[in-house]
Amino acid sequence: KQEVTQIPAALSVPEGENLVLNCSFTDSAIYNLQWFRQDPGKGLTSLLLIQSSQREQTSGRLNASLDKSSGRSTLYIAASQPGDSATYLCAAASGYSTLTFGKGTMLLVSP
Amino acid sequence: SAVISQKPSRDICQRGTSLTIQCQVDSQVTMMFWYRQQPGQSLTLIATANQGSEATYESGFVIDKFPISRPNLTFSTLTVSNMSPEDSSIYLCSVLLPSGGFNEQFFGPGTRLTVL
Repeated sequence: KQEVTQIPAALSVPEGENLVLNCSFTDSAIYNLQWFRQDPGKGLTSLLLIQSSQREQTSGRLNASLDKSSGRSTLYIAASQPGDSATYLCAAASGYSTLTFGKGTMLLVSP
Repeated sequence: SAVISQKPSRDICQRGTSLTIQCQVDSQVTMMFWYRQQPGQSLTLIATANQGSEATYESGFVIDKFPISRPNLTFSTLTVSNMSPEDSSIYLCSVLLPSGGFNEQFFGPGTRLTVL
């Protein structure tokens, strides 16, 4: 059974810092890995999707990497802003459509 | 991507009652899913809503408690039956769509349910 762990559970940084969020998964036979953002009490916004054959994806200030052999993914946020404050979730797709989510990293960026 | 809406956005319900949550997508999709996010927890898949047939439920979830309808390729409902305070959660629907040559899941805004 796939298990996804995210570290740290919470992170507080001043504006402008670069930061890294970590995600690990136990079963390396994944179809893809997705990173989502969730604002308090809201739904999920898809940030980046990395296919199993890819090593990284970039969108603006966000860069996600994937190392299947070690069961790890990282989300790098450059020049953080207060608007980046949210919970970040990673989810591993073990099949065509089955997503297993981590518990998330709650990020607070202070002005 | 797709525009996914859910109704209601939030509700406060009494123990023992039932609530039906609607999910509407602006395009036809083959695969729709229902998730639950309990307070402080991550998302857990409840079931896959299949068009024209019964939903496929994950371990720990049963049709009597969470009946699902999928009358067409753009709409689905999830009912939370005989509610208890433990059912207080955010309920989210999602769809699987082709994106950049692959398939990606997109989520609705969620329904925040509080059971008293």
